[in-house]
Amino acid sequence: DVKVTQSSRYLVKRTGEKVFLECVQDMDHENMFWYRQDPGLGLRLIYFSYDVKMKEKGDIPEGYSVSREKKERFSLILESASTNQTSMYLCASSANGGFGYTFGSGTRLTVV
Amino acid sequence: QQQVKQSPQSLIVQKGGISIINCAYENTAFDYFPWYQQFPGKGPALLIAIRPDVSEKKEGRFTISFNKSAKQFSLHIMDSQPGDSATYFCAASLSGSARQLTFGSGTQLTVLP
Repeated sequence: DVKVTQSSRYLVKRTGEKVFLECVQDMDHENMFWYRQDPGLGLRLIYFSYDVKMKEKGDIPEGYSVSREKKERFSLILESASTNQTSMYLCASSANGGFGYTFGSGTRLTVV
Repeated sequence: QQQVKQSPQSLIVQKGGISIINCAYENTAFDYFPWYQQFPGKGPALLIAIRPDVSEKKEGRFTISFNKSAKQFSLHIMDSQPGDSATYFCAASLSGSARQLTFGSGTQLTVLP
């Protein structure tokens, strides 16, 4: 079964820490995405990548950066975590020209 | 900013009833409109999708109705079952190889037994 795997299900970090969220897909998809999900706001796009080492800002990139050194892996980095970054983070992937996303199960991050 | 507006925020339906969730969009360049279903503890999964060249698409108990002139689309769940209880997101995207999806705010559906 094809998968998008997020390394942590739950994560608790302190304000000011540097946080890494990892995502791996086994479908050889070109495109990978990071969304955050908040009640009443739906899913909002943080960053996406359409190729290795390539990245594009989404709607809410402030306070985040990303890294894609290998095709199957896409990392989201919180340079200095803040309490307003407490959220559910969802990674997804898609093939070029494909219409559907495959999502991971999410990482619930709490910043205290 | 591209937006997709979704309503209602929550919906309670009796078993066997019809669940209807509505979405409206602003950007007429959107050309793909999927619905995603999310169960607790899981990521969203593609449920059904439609292109703007058709007015309706049906898959089993799930139907998308699309009104291009009104810039609206809706999900109808016929004969709703307790197993349909989940959060539903509408979305829209522009053409392009990466197809970024813009999501609605979500509807939490509860189907009572």
